[in-house]
Amino acid sequence: AQTVTQSQPEMSVQEAETVTLSCTYDTSESDYYLFWYKQPPSRQMILVIRQEAYKQQNATENRFSVNFQKAAKSFSLKISDSQLGDAAMYFCAYRSEGGSTLGRLYFGRGTQLTVWP
Amino acid sequence: DTEVTQTPKHLVMGMTNKKSLKCEQHMGHRAMYWYKQKAKKPPELMFVYSYEKLSINESVPSRFSPECPNSSLLNLHLHALQPEDSALYLCASSHWDTSYEQYFGPGTRLTVT
Repeated sequence: AQTVTQSQPEMSVQEAETVTLSCTYDTSESDYYLFWYKQPPSRQMILVIRQEAYKQQNATENRFSVNFQKAAKSFSLKISDSQLGDAAMYFCAYRSEGGSTLGRLYFGRGTQLTVWP
Repeated sequence: DTEVTQTPKHLVMGMTNKKSLKCEQHMGHRAMYWYKQKAKKPPELMFVYSYEKLSINESVPSRFSPECPNSSLLNLHLHALQPEDSALYLCASSHWDTSYEQYFGPGTRLTVT
């Protein structure tokens, strides 16, 4: 089964600074998708960014970008110019594309991000 | 419209009650999901419906009974729950044939007394 590991239970960053959240995963599949979801105190899960495994180019969404290293099975999220509203629990997720696990999302345990003013 | 709606937002029920959670989306998605989430933990998959048919059941106890009456609506029927079933229940939807992300609803906070 696929596993997703977030080794940083908590991170903190000063407002306007940059922070990087780590995520590694284990899979034998070649086709898959990776996601970062954000869950603020309201507990609404919000998609932050998506990366297709077949694309070498790293995904970017405004202040959010990823460093996708397929060979190393690493998928980190960089948040630039951090804002108070970025404070949330961040989940890394892997979406399987094959067989009986098609469509299933595998989540990491999450990283709680605190943003200091 | 990229919204998944869930009702009710909060639910308190006794262990002998029967209640239902409702989830609705109008994005044309043909896959819908139920998750259970405890505080400070990742969501745990419970059920997946694909084209209104149950495709994944994660060995969920029978006191949870899902239903997908049509492609836009997903219900979760609750009966004889235990206090440990208290959690946030999240619904999500996605395209099925293409590898698109799941869109989540705001959740129902369930308390079993």
